[in-house]
Amino acid sequence: DIQMTQSPSTLSASVGDRVTITCRASQTISKWLAWYQQKPGKAPNLLIYQASILESGVPSRFSGSGSGTEFTLTISSLQPDDFATYYCQQYNTYMYTFGQGTKLEIK
Amino acid sequence: EVQLVESGGGLVKPGRSLRLSCTASGFTFGDYAMSWLRQAPGKGLEWIGVIRGKAYGGTTEYAASLKGRFTISRDDSKSIAYLQMNSLKTEDTAVYYCTKDQYDFWSGSAPDCWGQGTLVTVSS
Repeated sequence: DIQMTQSPSTLSASVGDRVTITCRASQTISKWLAWYQQKPGKAPNLLIYQASILESGVPSRFSGSGSGTEFTLTISSLQPDDFATYYCQQYNTYMYTFGQGTKLEIK
Repeated sequence: EVQLVESGGGLVKPGRSLRLSCTASGFTFGDYAMSWLRQAPGKGLEWIGVIRGKAYGGTTEYAASLKGRFTISRDDSKSIAYLQMNSLKTEDTAVYYCTKDQYDFWSGSAPDCWGQGTLVTVSS
């Protein structure tokens, strides 16, 4: 199985901050990586796919980059609605695997 | 509007079976792969398996740790995907989600629509 390692596990930030979350794959996955946002009690919501393509309806302050084994999710200017847990997911092959999640908290 | 609604969750005793359903609307169901995932309380996301669409004859793939106990099927005429779970264990307690994949690719694509989830509690 391909292991996905996210960092940090928890991130404290303020409204207006620029934040970056990193995801590392245990082997190359080309560009087959997605990022999801999950709020308590809700299903995850797709933000980015193919490492850098913004899903329709997702605000442009979200961006993704990377390929191979190293990927990042950047939020350019945090808004109150962005405080949530973020997961990366590889879909290079079945079986899909996820990072352990990054909880973004208000400082 | 794409919509997925899971049903069939609840309290079940260890060793018993349960079948979950995922009723889809708003898209041509047979043209897409459908996946099942789960999330144990306070934990991360775990992929269970996928059933491909009609382009690949509804073939399935499963997480190695669950293969043999869990089976995914689909009824394209009713736009429903199923997850049959046998020999349930306490560690199977989780919210179970069905998802629509972006495409019907042989090797997978990102799940782009999720149901609201259904809670399965395995306890005596």
